[in-house]
Amino acid sequence: KNEVEQSPQNLTAQEGEFITINCSYSVGISALHWLQQHPGGGIVSLFMLSSGKKKHGRLIATINIQEKHSSLHITASHPRDSAVYICAAPGEYGNKLVFGAGTILRVKS
Amino acid sequence: DVKVTQSSRYLVKRTGEKVFLECVQDMDHENMFWYRQDPGLGLRLIYFSYDVKMKEKGDIPEGYSVSREKKERFSLILESASTNQTSMYLCASSTDFLGEQFFGPGTRLTVL
Repeated sequence: KNEVEQSPQNLTAQEGEFITINCSYSVGISALHWLQQHPGGGIVSLFMLSSGKKKHGRLIATINIQEKHSSLHITASHPRDSAVYICAAPGEYGNKLVFGAGTILRVKS
Repeated sequence: DVKVTQSSRYLVKRTGEKVFLECVQDMDHENMFWYRQDPGLGLRLIYFSYDVKMKEKGDIPEGYSVSREKKERFSLILESASTNQTSMYLCASSTDFLGEQFFGPGTRLTVL
């Protein structure tokens, strides 16, 4: 069974701060997903990555396959970044995605 | 703009009622999924379908069934709603089974 764990569970930051959310998993995978869910809103996919780093605007995702660890960074955070961030990885038998419990981010102005 | 729609944003039902949640996608995706989301537990897979009329159980199928008669539509059925099925229900679709999933807005179901 692939355990997907995120840290921290909750994060409060001041506008402009650099933010890091971590995700670790227990079974080797082909790719990992980062998703975003705004309050009352649906879930949108941010990144899918299998190695190295990906960047989209102020969001950067990195993955270390050997260490079974991924991070999501937000540079120059803004209140509109306030959301739940979720990582997901394939299950042990590759028959589904396993989701982390999510990190609740609040950015204060 | 690609879209996954769900029939209701909010739904209130009574214990024992039969409940239908509908999901429609316009992206011609083969794969469709039903999840429930509860605080602290993350998204949990109820059922998925990889083709019309094909369905597979996920992690928590008990008390649920599904129907996929057309490629674009995937329905979740609560045969006899119970209070422990109060939750947020999310539908998703994808081209590749482990690839990017596109989610609907969710249905917040309350069972009284």
